[in-house]
Amino acid sequence: QVQLQQWGAGLLKPSETLSLTCGVDGGSFSGYYWIWVRQPPGKGLEWIGESNQSGITKYNPSLKSRVTISVDASKNHFSLTLSSVTAADTGVYYCARVMSWATRRRYWYFDLWGRGTLVTVSS
Amino acid sequence: QSVLTQPPSMSAAPGQKVTISCSGTTSNIGNSFVSWYRQFPGTAPQLLIYENNKRPSGIPDRFSGSQSGTSVTLGITGLQTGDEADYYCATWDSSLSAWVFGGGTKLTVL
Repeated sequence: QVQLQQWGAGLLKPSETLSLTCGVDGGSFSGYYWIWVRQPPGKGLEWIGESNQSGITKYNPSLKSRVTISVDASKNHFSLTLSSVTAADTGVYYCARVMSWATRRRYWYFDLWGRGTLVTVSS
Repeated sequence: QSVLTQPPSMSAAPGQKVTISCSGTTSNIGNSFVSWYRQFPGTAPQLLIYENNKRPSGIPDRFSGSQSGTSVTLGITGLQTGDEADYYCATWDSSLSAWVFGGGTKLTVL
């Protein structure tokens, strides 16, 4: 059964860089897109960005200047870095797989999620 | 302020039916398929519906989805206390070039 395992630092100070990694266990890494989503405490879901196995990325315009998503297909994992964090970046960060078999993006959806990593930004 | 609009909360009695709405625009729901996700407290979201009305394996047929114009609806019949959760709609917005979510609907079964 395919699982997504997340890891990374959970406590940061303002202005530091958030760094998380998501590993794909028991399944293929290629042929999919992969995303990061975050959820502030008590609030809804926000898409951060995506990448495929070739490193083709898209980012949320509101975060684009601070976000980088990279992939290491040889290790079956992908990573998120978010620079210059503030308290507003506090929340649970999820990685997820995009079922992106269709050529057209309008058909895509997120079928597998990691368990989430709580990231707290506090001085 | 979410791009997709959902009611913040809904409630219904066990055994009843509930419909959760998600409204958008021609650049998102009117142009792309919608997926729905269920999130229990303290856990990750789980895919419930994709391509507006298709259920992944393991999701019972008590859950259904429909679409009309720039709105979609998630239906849940035979409500159970175990259906209490937050429900989110999501789709691709071609104008924003971004995946967008609804603000979420907290369902209470009482």
